[in-house]
Amino acid sequence: DAGITQSPRHKVTETGTPVTLRCHQTENHRYMYWYRQDPGHGLRLIHYSYGVKDTDKGEVSDGYSVSRSKTEDFLLTLESATSSQTSVYFCAIRGAESYEQYFGPGTRLTVT
Amino acid sequence: QKEVEQNSGPLSVPEGAIASLNCTYSDRGSQSFFWYRQYSGKSPELIMSIYSNGDKEDGRFTAQLNKASQYVSLLIRDSQPSDSATYLCAVGGNTGNQFYFGTGTSLTVIP
Repeated sequence: DAGITQSPRHKVTETGTPVTLRCHQTENHRYMYWYRQDPGHGLRLIHYSYGVKDTDKGEVSDGYSVSRSKTEDFLLTLESATSSQTSVYFCAIRGAESYEQYFGPGTRLTVT
Repeated sequence: QKEVEQNSGPLSVPEGAIASLNCTYSDRGSQSFFWYRQYSGKSPELIMSIYSNGDKEDGRFTAQLNKASQYVSLLIRDSQPSDSATYLCAVGGNTGNQFYFGTGTSLTVIP
């Protein structure tokens, strides 16, 4: 998984609770991404980061926030989880010299 | 909205045959193109990247890009049962910061 870990790998939570997913890389790559994958929609970008404290929104950013205080960690927060946020969440990394993205193992989140 | 279209399949080919996977995209400014393989319950794995018109070969895989037709394809020669997976097409925008993915084509290689 190209030196990327995600935690937790599985989580079940209730509607209205806050949830934070963590992505950790050991590659010192500049770019980090959060995607969600849903049947019929494919992979969709939530947020991405191009450096420490530098982030930008993707196509499905509503209801999500991110933070990157260290190069190696990129956090995704659902402030108040909803059932529509039940999904598989993938983190990806990219070096500054290449456009290729490499994915972590994923986190399966269920909001009941 | 930048769109990437793939036939969802399923596509079935016999072992040893050539599998052909296709992808079209809407943004003419796209500069980078990728194919990922995803096994059920696993994360996407990069198998090919292509940036300029023409063919790029890597082992049994060949990626083909035609920017004028906004079309990218993946050929898998001598298909093996282990190639059975969903193949995702990804297209990078003109800055390269964002990818847009198709919904994937499911491939089954029949022994």
